[in-house]
Amino acid sequence: GQNIDQPTEMTATEGAIVQINCTYQTSGFNGLFWYQQHAGEAPTFLSYNVLDGLEEKGRFSSFLSRSKGYSYLLLKELQMKDSASYLCAVLGRGSTLGRLYFGRGTQLTVWP
Amino acid sequence: DVKVTQSSRYLVKRTGEKVFLECVQDMDHENMFWYRQDPGLGLRLIYFSYDVKMKEKGDIPEGYSVSREKKERFSLILESASTNQTSMYLCATTGIQSNQPQHFGDGTRLSIL
Repeated sequence: GQNIDQPTEMTATEGAIVQINCTYQTSGFNGLFWYQQHAGEAPTFLSYNVLDGLEEKGRFSSFLSRSKGYSYLLLKELQMKDSASYLCAVLGRGSTLGRLYFGRGTQLTVWP
Repeated sequence: DVKVTQSSRYLVKRTGEKVFLECVQDMDHENMFWYRQDPGLGLRLIYFSYDVKMKEKGDIPEGYSVSREKKERFSLILESASTNQTSMYLCATTGIQSNQPQHFGDGTRLSIL
């Protein structure tokens, strides 16, 4: 089976840094994605990690440790527009290539 | 930019009706997916397709079927709609390379009365 865990909710203040964690136990692993989803909108792609380490993209960074089954998304210099749900998703392998297994999402609220 | 178009943004149907949700993509992607999203449950995969006329069940296929007659179009069918199928339905596509992200349509909010 596939098990992907992330916190349900987080809050932070504008200008702060927040780290959203994701742990996974899956039968196959071919990479991990992070998506952002604003209320009433479609998820949009943020980052992809397949090798261990940190990937930085402007204010957002994503980290992966395959041996620990662990990833985090780091958001710096938080802005009000960062209030959204953040989805962690693991990419399957083999005959289900391309299939993503999603966590339930972390609702981030940024306060002024 | 990838364009994934879902036929309706909002849809209201009655219990027992046969419902069709359409998804069209313009990027010649091989893989297409149908999810439903419910509060507290996240995104759950209903069906996916990796080629024309090919389909695979996801985690919650019961009560649904799909059709992929052309590469660009993937249809989700609710054979006999029930109230527990009231949900947000999202279509997504991706190419054949594993590191390509899935691109989502804007979603269809379906209400079954």
